[in-house]
Amino acid sequence: GAVVSQHPSWVICKSGTSVKIECRSLDFQATTMFWYRQFPKQSLMLMATSNEGSKATYEQGVEKDKFLINHASLTLSTLTVTSAHPEDSSFYICSAPKRGDSNVLTFGAGSRLTVL
Amino acid sequence: AQRVTQPEKLLSVFKGAPVELKCNYSYSGSPELFWYVQYSRQRLQLLLRHISRESIKGFTADLNKGETSFHLKKPFAQEEDSAMYYCALSGGYNQGGKLIFGQGTELSVKP
Repeated sequence: GAVVSQHPSWVICKSGTSVKIECRSLDFQATTMFWYRQFPKQSLMLMATSNEGSKATYEQGVEKDKFLINHASLTLSTLTVTSAHPEDSSFYICSAPKRGDSNVLTFGAGSRLTVL
Repeated sequence: AQRVTQPEKLLSVFKGAPVELKCNYSYSGSPELFWYVQYSRQRLQLLLRHISRESIKGFTADLNKGETSFHLKKPFAQEEDSAMYYCALSGGYNQGGKLIFGQGTELSVKP
């Protein structure tokens, strides 16, 4: 149990376009999800906390208008990278707290974004 | 400020040798500490947490509040232990799962 699915697993887009990444909790409900950004063999940087039915909470330095987060249901959070630039190329990972133990996270497999 | 520091980017050992992956943290309250592992081409997964005080795959980690450390140890490394290891900190249940990660240490166990 406790599976988090991300889609797409990889995407290539042109500069200036927008890309949406979906994060789904498959067998449990998640009122909160977390979006991380990971550079190759580097740390995971927390970008934002996605809250079902309300606005996301962004970490310092993360542009809200650049990285739009929507958490419309208890099983789906989306991250939209708007007007993408090559520097947005990265590995984006979502996670959700494990049911019954909010301090343990279940991670998605990640989505690799390449902006040309 | 909350911070997790893993001083070693890469740790290379031979099979059967002891391993210690260092983790130091900075937090004003009483944090919960975790080790997550990412094997090649797999997603990040929990390895162990300090409140469980258990050994997973031969790994143990003790929280030392005096030294603000949570080093991960294994007496005899195996090749299958090769992976990226991340130390992470949570501010507690009121943080609702929000984790701060260290930079990660790549463990390479050679035959």
